[in-house]
Amino acid sequence: DQQVKQNSPSLSVQEGRISILNCDYTNSMFDYFLWYKKYPAEGPTFLISISSIKDKNEDGRFTVFLNKSAKHLSLHIVPSQPGDSAVYFCAASVSSYSGGGADGLTFGKGTHLIIQP
Amino acid sequence: DTAVSQTPKYLVTQMGNDKSIKCEQNLGHDTMYWYKQDSKKFLKIMFSYNNKELIINETVPNRFSPKSPDKAHLNLHINSLELGDSAVYFCASSRKLAFGELFFGEGSRLTVL
Repeated sequence: DQQVKQNSPSLSVQEGRISILNCDYTNSMFDYFLWYKKYPAEGPTFLISISSIKDKNEDGRFTVFLNKSAKHLSLHIVPSQPGDSAVYFCAASVSSYSGGGADGLTFGKGTHLIIQP
Repeated sequence: DTAVSQTPKYLVTQMGNDKSIKCEQNLGHDTMYWYKQDSKKFLKIMFSYNNKELIINETVPNRFSPKSPDKAHLNLHINSLELGDSAVYFCASSRKLAFGELFFGEGSRLTVL
């Protein structure tokens, strides 16, 4: 049961252009969303997050958009740089969690972003 | 100075053996986790440990047992290893349970032959 889905396993974008990574979720209880970036042989590192009370959060070249009605979020990277080549994981959580399961973050399968020179 | 460190980074062992992976965080976080990334690349939570309370994902076999000697450490013990246990195991920590940014270790790649 995939509660967080990233339907594009890979995405190739030219350097300098915009990269758009998409993520869909099914659990309406999720109210906090994050994007993680992962290089080979390293652990995921936090990139940007958004609370469900917002529909946009921006940090430098990275912007996350949230469409609650569609249960969809996206990560925009502009301009894309070679160092952005990595696997990007979308993750979600329930911030009001009060026990009952091994909670943490629920991750998508990841999208491998390749920035071409 | 590594925030979340786990050892060993690579582990190759035979079926039926018992092995451990250690994890330490120096961030002062209250909550630690173990995640498993399987061959399909999904990152799935196995355990979370918060204020001496262990919360186990019900799908995790009882051959897996986390042990926390103190707030900064959460080690993973695996008994009677099976082929399907081959995966990359990530330790992580956060300030609060189930909320906010997780800090991950580099991962430990376990290969069971």
